Amino acid sequence: QKEVEQNSGPLSVPEGAIASLNCTYSDRGSQSFFWYRQYSGKSPELIMSIYSNGDKEDGRFTAQLNKASQYVSLLIRDSQPSDSATYLCALSHSSASKIIFGSGTRLSIRP
Amino acid sequence: DAGVIQSPRHEVTEMGQEVTLRCKPISGHNSLFWYRQTMMRGLELLIYFNNNVPIDDSGMPEDRFSAKMPNASFSTLKIQPSEPRDSAVYFCASGTESSYNEQFFGPGTRLTVL
Repeated sequence: QKEVEQNSGPLSVPEGAIASLNCTYSDRGSQSFFWYRQYSGKSPELIMSIYSNGDKEDGRFTAQLNKASQYVSLLIRDSQPSDSATYLCALSHSSASKIIFGSGTRLSIRP
Repeated sequence: DAGVIQSPRHEVTEMGQEVTLRCKPISGHNSLFWYRQTMMRGLELLIYFNNNVPIDDSGMPEDRFSAKMPNASFSTLKIQPSEPRDSAVYFCASGTESSYNEQFFGPGTRLTVL
C-alpha cells in the first residue's frame, strides 16, 4: 500500500464548476499536509498547506483534512482553464523531515 | 526574494560522462531536497539535508549518484558515470522547520543522457 494514494485521473470538470480532488494516506502519525500544483513542463508549486482537522480556505481553493478518516481533499471553486494541471497531494510526519508525495491527479477544465 | 535557483536548466550529455547539477536554496532555509521526476516513476526523493548534513540518502539509486552541501547556500548532485536511464528532470527544493516543513521547488534541470 502506498503511503499517499491519489486517483491518477484525468478528472474532467466544466469551466465554472467545482473541482474536487481527493487523497488518502496510511500513516496516522502524519502531521502536515500539502497540495502542490504542477503545470506540464514546470516544477511543483505549493498552493495549500493544512495541519488541523477541518477546512482551510484561500481564494478559490479550500483544503479539507479529516485525520480520523485519513483523507485530505482540495476543492477548486469556479474552475478556470488555467487550473488544468496535475495536483500532487503530500504529507510529512514531523518538522525537518521529508515530504512524501502522491503520484498526482491530472485535472482538465473544459471550456 | 529569489526562489530556489538551479543550474543548468538543460543538460545533454553522452553516456559515461560526469554530470553535475547545482542548487542554491532560498536564503534562510535550512533544509534542502533533491528529487527526480520521470513519467514512469513520478516524483522521487533522492536525498535531503538539514543544516548542511545529509539526513536520508535512501533514495539515491546507486553509487553513481552523490550529493554534497558544503555550505548553507549551495548543493550539488553528481552522476558519474551517467547512463541513459538517468534521463529525467531533477528538482531541488528547500524549506525550514519553522514553516511546518513546506517545501519550495526550483525550476528543475532537464537531463538527457544519450
